[in-house]
Amino acid sequence: DTEVTQTPKHLVMGMTNKKSLKCEQHMGHRAMYWYKQKAKKPPELMFVYSYEKLSINESVPSRFSPECPNSSLLNLHLHALQPEDSALYLCASSRRVGDTTRSSYEQYFGPGTRLTVT
Amino acid sequence: EDQVTQSPEALRLQEGESSSLNCSYTVSGLRGLFWYRQDPGKGPEFLFTLYSAGEEKEKERLKATLTKKESFLHITAPKPEDSATYLCAVQYSLYNQGGKLIFGQGTELSVKP
Repeated sequence: DTEVTQTPKHLVMGMTNKKSLKCEQHMGHRAMYWYKQKAKKPPELMFVYSYEKLSINESVPSRFSPECPNSSLLNLHLHALQPEDSALYLCASSRRVGDTTRSSYEQYFGPGTRLTVT
Repeated sequence: EDQVTQSPEALRLQEGESSSLNCSYTVSGLRGLFWYRQDPGKGPEFLFTLYSAGEEKEKERLKATLTKKESFLHITAPKPEDSATYLCAVQYSLYNQGGKLIFGQGTELSVKP
């Protein structure tokens, strides 16, 4: 089972609103990711959590605030967004594969949240 | 500079017309190359992981191969339901329980009946 779930599927918010995106996985993966994807573009990494601690922040504006309450949950809190922040927001988790001589981390993505900022 | 380039950007095929998608990369210390399928408005679906030159993986009508500088995704006798964007991603850096990916721009495949 490689399922990552995300809620809500769609979100419309005004520039003064506060909202949150939620991501959940029960595969025991210890790294979770937030990506942003614009139309016809590949996903862009925003944040990475490893063992519930923030490992990577790709210079994301402070109006995006991630949170990892436990090993299965990942939230993205949104505040004072701009229309250009409208995009598909993807969550992913990863598992290690391979052996001691060669290994990597396979990432599994959720279905995404389509965010529209008006 | 670490880079992943996919070609063509778009590919139109007739049902049953086999073809290949290309992913070339310039990355030092490759840890893995991944192929994903993405349908419009949905998250990428994991297809394959390739580690080293000469490796091949197959799944239904798809076969992925890897050389030292590029990977190919071969589609044999495609069907309309294979229409999607195919993303290639390279992992070059590992950290605590995770791996950073560089994505190509994707190939948009359309298969007509």
